[in-house]
Amino acid sequence: AQSVTQPDIHITVSEGASLELRCNYSYGATPYLFWYVQSPGQGLQLLLKYFSGDTLVQGIKGFEAEFKRSQSSFNLRKPSVHWSDAAEYFCAVGIYNFNKFYFGSGTKLNVKP
Amino acid sequence: DVKVTQSSRYLVKRTGEKVFLECVQDMDHENMFWYRQDPGLGLRLIYFSYDVKMKEKGDIPEGYSVSREKKERFSLILESASTNQTSMYLCASSTAGVTLYEQYFGPGTRLTVT
Repeated sequence: AQSVTQPDIHITVSEGASLELRCNYSYGATPYLFWYVQSPGQGLQLLLKYFSGDTLVQGIKGFEAEFKRSQSSFNLRKPSVHWSDAAEYFCAVGIYNFNKFYFGSGTKLNVKP
Repeated sequence: DVKVTQSSRYLVKRTGEKVFLECVQDMDHENMFWYRQDPGLGLRLIYFSYDVKMKEKGDIPEGYSVSREKKERFSLILESASTNQTSMYLCASSTAGVTLYEQYFGPGTRLTVT
């Protein structure tokens, strides 16, 4: 069965430190890959997406993600975290021809001053 | 600015009641979605609609139905609410084609069934 795994439930980083959130998927072919962010009390917002081509993709708010086919991973990174980045982050996988879309269980990011 | 609105932010209903959750988008999107969000489970798709009066079951459709009579409006119906339907419900919309997954979300409705 297809699945999306975010192994870290909670992560705490200091403001200004770098960040990496992990995401692994299980699917035979390369799916479409996404990261969404949910700020407290809000709906989800798309941060970035990967369909094909360059495996390093840039998103909004200074985030980037790298697709590694050999590891079935799509990790989210930011070089310097801001207090406003505290939120919950969801990795998602889309399988277009089958109209299937799976979300990971989310990683809650806390930012220490 | 794109906008997906949901009729209520918080809702408290009794077991056995019929519950309607409404979602409206102003972006002329073809696709609309209903998810439920539970801690540790992420988002799970209940139903989606790719056109007016068209719908497809998601991963957890049991106990739910949907209605899409107009392009901008997508309703989720709990025919007889149960306590295990206490959850956060999120509506989303997107355009057709490969951008199906570039979804715009509403703020959510937190439903409590007592």
